[in-house]
Amino acid sequence: QSALTQPPSVSGTPGQTVTISCSGSRSNIGRDYAFWYQQFPGTAPKLLMYKRIYRPSWVPDRFSGSQSGATAYLAISGLRAEDEADYYCAAWDNSLGWVFGGGTKLTVL
Amino acid sequence: EVQLVESGGGWVQPGGSLRLSCAASGFTFSTHKMHWVRQAPGKGLEWVSFIDENGTYKKDRDSVRGRFIISRDNAENSLFLQMNSLRDDDTAIYYCVRESNGFDPWGQGTLVTVSA
Repeated sequence: QSALTQPPSVSGTPGQTVTISCSGSRSNIGRDYAFWYQQFPGTAPKLLMYKRIYRPSWVPDRFSGSQSGATAYLAISGLRAEDEADYYCAAWDNSLGWVFGGGTKLTVL
Repeated sequence: EVQLVESGGGWVQPGGSLRLSCAASGFTFSTHKMHWVRQAPGKGLEWVSFIDENGTYKKDRDSVRGRFIISRDNAENSLFLQMNSLRDDDTAIYYCVRESNGFDPWGQGTLVTVSA
Protein backbone atom coordinates (compact mmCIF):
# COMPACT_ATOMS: atom_id res chain seq x y z
CA GLN A 1 0.00 0.00 0.00
CA SER A 2 1.51 3.32 -1.14
CA ALA A 3 1.80 6.36 1.12
CA LEU A 4 0.36 8.42 -1.74
CA THR A 5 -2.92 7.38 -3.35
CA GLN A 6 -3.61 7.75 -7.05
CA PRO A 7 -6.47 6.40 -9.15
CA PRO A 8 -5.27 3.27 -10.99
CA SER A 9 -6.54 4.56 -14.30
CA VAL A 10 -8.06 7.56 -16.05
CA SER A 11 -9.13 8.02 -19.64
CA GLY A 12 -10.16 10.75 -22.02
CA THR A 13 -10.67 11.53 -25.67
CA PRO A 14 -8.35 13.68 -27.76
CA GLY A 15 -8.71 17.36 -26.92
CA GLN A 16 -10.25 16.74 -23.50
CA THR A 17 -8.79 17.71 -20.14
CA VAL A 18 -8.04 14.98 -17.62
CA THR A 19 -6.94 15.37 -14.03
CA ILE A 20 -5.01 12.87 -11.94
CA SER A 21 -5.14 13.21 -8.17
CA CYS A 22 -2.51 12.24 -5.63
CA SER A 23 -3.70 12.09 -2.04
CA GLY A 24 -1.17 12.18 0.76
CA SER A 25 -0.98 13.34 4.35
CA ARG A 26 0.45 16.03 6.59
CA SER A 27 3.77 14.17 6.69
CA ASN A 28 4.34 14.41 2.95
CA ILE A 29 2.32 16.46 0.44
CA GLY A 30 0.71 18.39 3.26
CA ARG A 31 4.06 19.86 4.22
CA ASP A 32 6.22 19.64 1.09
CA TYR A 33 6.19 19.78 -2.68
CA ALA A 34 4.72 17.16 -4.97
CA PHE A 35 6.52 15.93 -8.07
CA TRP A 36 5.15 14.09 -11.10
CA TYR A 37 6.81 11.55 -13.40
CA GLN A 38 5.77 10.16 -16.78
CA GLN A 39 6.69 6.63 -17.86
CA PHE A 40 6.15 4.92 -21.19
CA PRO A 41 6.19 1.10 -21.36
CA GLY A 42 9.69 -0.34 -21.31
CA THR A 43 11.38 2.97 -20.59
CA ALA A 44 12.67 4.81 -17.54
CA PRO A 45 10.46 7.45 -15.92
CA LYS A 46 11.01 11.12 -16.70
CA LEU A 47 10.43 14.16 -14.51
CA LEU A 48 7.23 15.87 -15.61
CA MET A 49 6.49 18.46 -12.90
CA TYR A 50 8.58 19.61 -9.97
CA LYS A 51 7.89 21.56 -6.80
CA ARG A 52 4.19 21.29 -7.44
CA ILE A 53 3.81 23.62 -10.42
CA TYR A 54 7.04 23.86 -12.42
CA ARG A 55 7.72 22.09 -15.72
CA PRO A 56 11.10 21.04 -17.17
CA SER A 57 11.72 22.81 -20.48
CA TRP A 58 10.72 19.80 -22.57
CA VAL A 59 7.22 19.55 -21.07
CA PRO A 60 4.46 21.36 -22.99
CA ASP A 61 2.25 23.82 -21.11
CA ARG A 62 -0.69 21.47 -21.62
CA PHE A 63 0.58 19.87 -18.41
CA SER A 64 -0.06 21.72 -15.17
CA GLY A 65 0.21 20.99 -11.48
CA SER A 66 -1.68 22.22 -8.46
CA GLN A 67 -2.26 21.34 -4.84
CA SER A 68 -4.96 21.67 -2.23
CA GLY A 69 -4.06 20.67 1.29
CA ALA A 70 -2.51 17.21 1.20
CA THR A 71 -3.67 16.39 -2.33
CA ALA A 72 -1.76 17.21 -5.51
CA TYR A 73 -3.23 17.29 -8.97
CA LEU A 74 -1.83 16.86 -12.47
CA ALA A 75 -3.99 18.25 -15.26
CA ILE A 76 -3.45 17.48 -18.92
CA SER A 77 -5.37 19.68 -21.31
CA GLY A 78 -5.74 19.24 -25.07
CA LEU A 79 -5.23 15.51 -24.58
CA ARG A 80 -3.17 13.82 -27.31
CA ALA A 81 -2.57 10.19 -28.19
CA GLU A 82 1.10 10.55 -27.26
CA ASP A 83 0.13 11.41 -23.66
CA GLU A 84 -0.90 7.79 -23.10
CA ALA A 85 1.49 6.64 -20.37
CA ASP A 86 1.77 5.88 -16.66
CA TYR A 87 1.95 8.85 -14.32
CA TYR A 88 3.41 8.80 -10.81
CA CYS A 89 3.36 11.40 -8.07
CA ALA A 90 6.08 11.60 -5.42
CA ALA A 91 6.91 13.59 -2.30
CA TRP A 92 9.30 13.61 0.62
CA ASP A 93 7.76 12.05 3.72
CA ASN A 94 8.91 13.06 7.20
CA SER A 95 9.13 9.46 8.38
CA LEU A 96 9.36 7.24 5.32
CA GLY A 97 11.72 9.14 3.07
CA TRP A 98 10.69 9.60 -0.55
CA VAL A 99 7.32 8.07 -1.35
CA PHE A 100 5.54 7.45 -4.63
CA GLY A 101 1.92 7.00 -5.55
CA GLY A 102 0.88 3.68 -7.01
CA GLY A 103 0.73 5.15 -10.51
CA THR A 104 -2.10 6.07 -12.86
CA LYS A 105 -2.45 4.63 -16.33
CA LEU A 106 -3.77 7.23 -18.75
CA THR A 107 -5.65 5.87 -21.75
CA VAL A 108 -6.49 8.11 -24.68
CA LEU A 109 -9.65 6.71 -26.24
CA GLU B 1 24.58 15.39 -22.04
CA VAL B 2 23.72 14.25 -18.53
CA GLN B 3 23.88 10.47 -18.41
CA LEU B 4 23.53 7.74 -15.80
CA VAL B 5 24.43 4.16 -16.72
CA GLU B 6 23.71 1.31 -14.32
CA SER B 7 25.38 -2.08 -14.31
CA GLY B 8 25.73 -5.10 -12.07
CA GLY B 9 22.24 -6.55 -12.22
CA GLY B 10 21.54 -10.21 -12.81
CA TRP B 11 20.14 -13.36 -11.30
CA VAL B 12 20.87 -14.31 -7.71
CA GLN B 13 19.47 -16.86 -5.29
CA PRO B 14 17.61 -15.76 -2.15
CA GLY B 15 20.12 -14.84 0.54
CA GLY B 16 22.73 -13.87 -2.02
CA SER B 17 24.44 -10.56 -2.74
CA LEU B 18 24.87 -8.20 -5.69
CA ARG B 19 26.63 -4.89 -6.14
CA LEU B 20 25.08 -2.36 -8.49
CA SER B 21 27.10 0.46 -10.01
CA CYS B 22 26.07 3.67 -11.71
CA ALA B 23 28.45 5.68 -13.88
CA ALA B 24 27.58 9.37 -14.07
CA SER B 25 28.69 11.80 -16.76
CA GLY B 26 27.83 15.20 -18.18
CA PHE B 27 27.46 17.00 -14.83
CA THR B 28 29.34 17.73 -11.62
CA PHE B 29 28.58 14.51 -9.77
CA SER B 30 29.97 15.67 -6.43
CA THR B 31 27.43 18.47 -6.09
CA HIS B 32 24.30 16.32 -6.36
CA LYS B 33 22.41 14.04 -4.01
CA MET B 34 21.84 10.60 -5.57
CA HIS B 35 19.20 7.91 -5.16
CA TRP B 36 18.30 4.37 -6.10
CA VAL B 37 14.68 3.75 -7.10
CA ARG B 38 13.29 0.35 -8.06
CA GLN B 39 10.33 -1.02 -9.96
CA ALA B 40 9.15 -4.61 -9.60
CA PRO B 41 7.85 -6.23 -12.81
CA GLY B 42 4.47 -4.72 -13.68
CA LYS B 43 4.44 -2.65 -10.49
CA GLY B 44 4.95 0.96 -9.45
CA LEU B 45 8.01 2.95 -8.44
CA GLU B 46 9.60 2.48 -5.02
CA TRP B 47 12.34 4.65 -3.56
CA VAL B 48 15.18 2.57 -2.09
CA SER B 49 18.10 4.66 -0.84
CA PHE B 50 19.54 8.17 -0.78
CA ILE B 51 23.05 9.57 -0.27
CA ASP B 52 24.07 13.18 0.08
CA GLU B 53 26.71 14.97 -1.96
CA ASN B 54 29.76 13.84 -0.02
CA GLY B 55 28.44 10.53 1.30
CA THR B 56 27.95 11.75 4.87
CA TYR B 57 24.18 11.34 5.16
CA LYS B 58 22.27 8.31 3.94
CA LYS B 59 18.73 7.09 4.28
CA ASP B 60 17.06 3.83 3.25
CA ARG B 61 13.53 2.57 3.10
CA ASP B 62 12.59 0.33 5.99
CA SER B 63 12.45 -2.91 4.00
CA VAL B 64 16.11 -2.70 2.91
CA ARG B 65 17.66 -1.16 6.00
CA GLY B 66 20.47 -3.33 7.33
CA ARG B 67 20.67 -5.28 4.06
CA PHE B 68 21.46 -2.62 1.40
CA ILE B 69 24.31 -0.13 1.58
CA ILE B 70 24.47 2.93 -0.67
CA SER B 71 27.84 4.55 -1.32
CA ARG B 72 29.56 6.81 -3.81
CA ASP B 73 32.99 7.63 -5.19
CA ASN B 74 33.06 11.26 -6.26
CA ALA B 75 36.55 10.90 -7.76
CA GLU B 76 35.18 8.23 -10.09
CA ASN B 77 31.74 9.82 -10.62
CA SER B 78 30.14 6.60 -9.46
CA LEU B 79 27.23 5.51 -7.27
CA PHE B 80 26.91 2.04 -5.78
CA LEU B 81 24.35 -0.16 -4.08
CA GLN B 82 25.61 -3.19 -2.17
CA MET B 83 22.66 -5.55 -1.76
CA ASN B 84 22.95 -8.38 0.76
CA SER B 85 20.51 -11.00 2.07
CA LEU B 86 18.46 -10.61 -1.07
CA ARG B 87 14.82 -11.73 -1.02
CA ASP B 88 12.33 -12.62 -3.71
CA ASP B 89 10.57 -9.29 -3.26
CA ASP B 90 13.78 -7.41 -4.12
CA THR B 91 13.30 -8.51 -7.73
CA ALA B 92 13.03 -5.30 -9.74
CA ILE B 93 14.61 -2.93 -12.19
CA TYR B 94 16.91 -0.68 -10.19
CA TYR B 95 17.30 2.89 -11.42
CA CYS B 96 20.10 5.29 -10.53
CA VAL B 97 18.66 8.78 -10.20
CA ARG B 98 20.08 12.26 -9.72
CA GLU B 99 18.27 14.67 -7.44
CA SER B 100 17.93 18.01 -9.21
CA ASN B 101 14.59 19.70 -8.59
CA GLY B 102 13.15 16.22 -8.41
CA PHE B 103 14.52 12.94 -9.72
CA ASP B 104 16.15 13.98 -12.98
CA PRO B 105 17.44 12.24 -14.94
CA TRP B 106 17.00 8.50 -14.50
CA GLY B 107 19.34 5.85 -15.79
CA GLN B 108 18.07 3.11 -18.07
CA GLY B 109 17.93 0.69 -15.13
CA THR B 110 19.46 -2.68 -14.38
CA LEU B 111 17.34 -5.78 -13.69
CA VAL B 112 17.87 -7.75 -10.49
CA THR B 113 16.16 -11.13 -10.32
CA VAL B 114 16.08 -12.99 -7.00
CA SER B 115 14.89 -16.55 -7.44
CA ALA B 116 15.73 -20.08 -6.45
